[in-house]
Amino acid sequence: KNEVEQSPQNLTAQEGEFITINCSYSVGISALHWLQQHPGGGIVSLFMLSSGKKKHGRLIATINIQEKHSSLHITASHPRDSAVYICAFPGGMDSNYQLIWGAGTKLIIKP
Amino acid sequence: SAVISQKPSRDICQRGTSLTIQCQVDSQVTMMFWYRQQPGQSLTLIATANQGSEATYESGFVIDKFPISRPNLTFSTLTVSNMSPEDSSIYLCSASWLAGNEQFFGPGTRLTVL
Repeated sequence: KNEVEQSPQNLTAQEGEFITINCSYSVGISALHWLQQHPGGGIVSLFMLSSGKKKHGRLIATINIQEKHSSLHITASHPRDSAVYICAFPGGMDSNYQLIWGAGTKLIIKP
Repeated sequence: SAVISQKPSRDICQRGTSLTIQCQVDSQVTMMFWYRQQPGQSLTLIATANQGSEATYESGFVIDKFPISRPNLTFSTLTVSNMSPEDSSIYLCSASWLAGNEQFFGPGTRLTVL
């Protein structure tokens, strides 16, 4: 079983729709990253959270450490939100900075 | 947050040559990392660039193939040596102030080896 699983793998939606991307993991973690990768390859760190909820503009991230689950929400989605969204967390006993990566969710927002 | 730039943003290289990728951070950081993302794959950590000492390489990566420099707290380079088409990937650097803390990523270097 993978340590981290994201769903859905692919998501196509219309502009304005509310988007939810889920991330489940099987190991105890201290914090989790949500990252956005644009088609050119560049990665932007959206959130790092260890509990509760964080909000930045139209993006909201939540995490439930006990349930080992995190979600990324996008409100009023826009075509420029089209990207791959990845969850990741520091893993490894002796190298807690090495990130364990989810497979990513490819999001396409149609105008 | 930290702003990270990489040069070049992309390159097309011939088999057998080497390419050096530069990573510049706008502030002093403790940790700098180099990742590779092969087509359709997740990111894989190549090594941790240590300031003033040799880089720490992950399993499957060796210094002769991916020499790394870290001359100060804001700059690092990754060289992809003796390239083959299998080295065609996106190479990303990232930085963090503390191990386990949030990492900030550069825009990536898209490398194509012919």
